[in-house]
Amino acid sequence: EVQLVESGGGVVRPGGSLRLSCAASGFTFDDYGMSWVRQAPGKGLEWVSGINWNGGSTGYADSVKGRFTISRDNAKNSLYLQMNSLRAEDTALYHCARVDSGADWDAFDIWGQGTMVTVSS
Amino acid sequence: SSELTQDPAVSVALGQTVRITCQGDSLRSYYASWYQQKPGQAPVLVIYGKNNRPSGIPDRFSGSSSGNTASLTITGAQAEDEADYYCNSRDSSGNHVFGGGTKLTVL
Repeated sequence: EVQLVESGGGVVRPGGSLRLSCAASGFTFDDYGMSWVRQAPGKGLEWVSGINWNGGSTGYADSVKGRFTISRDNAKNSLYLQMNSLRAEDTALYHCARVDSGADWDAFDIWGQGTMVTVSS
Repeated sequence: SSELTQDPAVSVALGQTVRITCQGDSLRSYYASWYQQKPGQAPVLVIYGKNNRPSGIPDRFSGSSSGNTASLTITGAQAEDEADYYCNSRDSSGNHVFGGGTKLTVL
């Protein structure tokens, strides 16, 4: 079964750090790019960060650039998101998603259930 | 602010056809993908590329694109199609971006 399982969420104080993990199974992990997508309570989806198949190319939303770092370990079939200098507005459910791509399209075709991050004093 | 614009809410009578739209300059050169999200669940991909449906998605879902507008059409809407729908594509810097979402109500 193709599956993504996130972990590492929790409650953290403003200015603190957290590292999220996403364990992939059921597919060849290094055949795909991966992304993190978050959803604040009652709000819409927000793309946070993405990484290509070998980690050689990464991208970040302006809202997290300079504070978050995405990485992957293909030997462990795992995706990570290091989150530093956390703010209240980073409070959200964080999903990892597999990215399938073509010449002129992308698709987040597999999603995890998410891990909740709450930033509060 | 999002570079992809969606109507916040749309309604459709049971069994009728509804079109959900997504506008953005990047859609002139890059196809949108569409996601359905029901309360308490992770999003599900329903349309990608020119008009492709993942396995398991009913054929009443279809996609199209013209100029800066992408559309998701549900032909013969069912009660179970009531959900939030999000489009996604690339922004001007090449990063991904989601539309603000459309809440679909099936009457």
